[in-house]
Amino acid sequence: ETGVTQTPRHLVMGMTNKKSLKCEQHLGHNAMYWYKQSAKKPLELMFVYNFKEQTENNSVPSRFSPECPNSSHLFLHLHTLQPEDSALYLCASSHTRDRPYEQYFGPGTRLTVT
Amino acid sequence: AQSVTQLDSQVPVFEEAPVELRCNYSSSVSVYLFWYVQYPNQGLQLLLKYLSGSTLVKGINGFEAEFNKSQTSFHLRKPSVHISDTAEYFCAVSERISAGGTSYGKLTFGQGTILTVHP
Repeated sequence: ETGVTQTPRHLVMGMTNKKSLKCEQHLGHNAMYWYKQSAKKPLELMFVYNFKEQTENNSVPSRFSPECPNSSHLFLHLHTLQPEDSALYLCASSHTRDRPYEQYFGPGTRLTVT
Repeated sequence: AQSVTQLDSQVPVFEEAPVELRCNYSSSVSVYLFWYVQYPNQGLQLLLKYLSGSTLVKGINGFEAEFNKSQTSFHLRKPSVHISDTAEYFCAVSERISAGGTSYGKLTFGQGTILTVHP
């Protein structure tokens, strides 16, 4: 598989559930990103990992817990979410030396919190 | 701090007509500008980018954009649109963050412009 993949593509969870979103990139990149895309709001950067180290946390509530075990995989662990957390969650990756500003996005996970 | 303003939230056009989607930015550092396209139920696809050099950049699907430093704009154009161009378009500015000998980009997006092409 090529590019950036995300699973699952759709997720419905209750407020007391615990679930995880997975992102995998096959581009040889070393930086990975989580974004949140809500209706009527601009895309928001949530977290950045650079060589597996978290370098950005954009004031994200602790009910979102990222994990980056290696440069190819990124997870977003979810627990006790709120209905306002329903959104499209996008993962992206970029090279850290050549064109670090050029990010490639996955198809996203559509999350609905009930 | 960076910011991006997309001046039109929706742009309806007829097929084969020209289109311009407007984007203004502000940035206190070197400017790297992007246009992304998002088709329904999909992620973002890079349409084109300006990093340096020629101010007129060409992208995929016949789109082009012009970087205008004095007007802090990066408008997207296509001379003749197709039905398949119907999508949401995002303008973004990136800041390069250097950390430990490596770098990554910090993207700030505009609100998006929904382009609807009618037959």
